[in-house]
Formats: sequence, C-alpha cells, structure tokens
Amino acid sequence: EAAVTQSPRNKVAVTGGKVTLSCNQTNNHNNMYWYRQDTGHGLRLIHYSYGAGSTEKGDIPDGYKASRPSQENFSLILELATPSQTSVYFCASGDLGGENYAEQFFGPGTRLTVL
Amino acid sequence: GDSVTQTEGLVTLTEGLPVMLNCTYQSTYSPFLFWYVQHLNEAPKLLLKSFTDNKRPEHQGFHATLHKSSSSFHLQKSSAQLSDSALYYCALSDRGSSGSWQLIFGSGTQLTVMP
Repeated sequence: EAAVTQSPRNKVAVTGGKVTLSCNQTNNHNNMYWYRQDTGHGLRLIHYSYGAGSTEKGDIPDGYKASRPSQENFSLILELATPSQTSVYFCASGDLGGENYAEQFFGPGTRLTVL
Repeated sequence: GDSVTQTEGLVTLTEGLPVMLNCTYQSTYSPFLFWYVQHLNEAPKLLLKSFTDNKRPEHQGFHATLHKSSSSFHLQKSSAQLSDSALYYCALSDRGSSGSWQLIFGSGTQLTVMP
C-alpha cells in the first residue's frame, strides 16, 4: 500500500536550535505538503512542493524552510526554533486527476516540543 | 480568498442519535469539497468527497450533499456509534498561485459519542 512516513515521530528541541523534520512518500505523487495542527486552528499549510527541486510558501511560512531533493522526500526545516513552533506537524502527498482529484494522503505526524 | 467554516468546535451526543456537522465555504469557482476524519493519535484520512455529477457520496454510514446555492457540504449520519468519536475536517480544493492544487481546511469539529 502506498504510504507517507515521517521521522522523527517525536522531537524535543531547545529554543534557537535547528530542527529538521523528514517526510518520505511511496505514492509517486508530484505534490507534497507540510501542515501544522493546533487546537482551534485546524490544519494550516506551511510549505508545499509540486515536484523535485520546487518549494512554495503556504499560508504560514514564516520561521520555516522546506527542501524537496527528490520525488520521494520533502523536509521541513526550522533554522531557529521557538516555543511558538511547538505543535504537531503532518506531511502529506497528493496529485491531480482521476478519482483522486486533489485528495491528499497524510503521514502519521511528528510531535515537536520546543523548550 | 477561498475559505471553509465549521461553526461547531465540539459536538457531544449519545450513541444512536443522528449526527450533523456543519460546513460552509466561500470560493470563487466551483470547488470540490471533502470531509477528512482523524481519530486520536492517527493521521487525517479521507472520509468523503463531492462528485462532479451531484451524486451524494457515502462512506461508513456518513453522507454529505453539496448545496451550491447555500455553499454548504454538511456531514450527516443517521445513527452515531461510539467509534465515530473523532476530529472531522471539512476542506475544499483550490489551485494555488503556482497552479498546484491545495486543500483549504476548516478549523475542525471534535465529535464525541457517549454511551
């Protein structure tokens, strides 16, 4: 079965430290997405990519960078982590067309705590 | 810009009673609408999506009807089960500035079904 995996699943970081969250998909989808989930805000889009080498800003990109080195991998980078970035982060992949029009498949999430 | 509104943050009801979760949207075009469900400590996954031919989608006893006149896509089920307790997101598809498809999520409704 096609899958989206994330690592690490849990991470504790210190303020000012660098954090890298990794995502891998075997769906062969062109599009990949990074969201954060916070109570009362739902899922908010941070960055997305429509293919290897591309990254685009989502709705809340400040404080985050992204990297898409290959079709399968998409990373989210926090250069200088802050406590406000404590959240659950989800990666997703998706594609256009057919019966899966704009459907996205989510990874299991990464719980990040910044102290 | 496009948006999705879920007015209820929390819904609590007794097993066997009907379920209705509200979703309204604003969109410049005629979007596709989706319902995603997220059980505790799991990833969001697709529950329902609207059809282009106005058929009513159904899955696991849930159904939703797209009403373009009122810009609504409410989620309904005739009889709630304990296992329906979860976080439900309404979402619409949108083509971002790069031309790549995105999902715009509502803030989510936490459904709790009591025995």
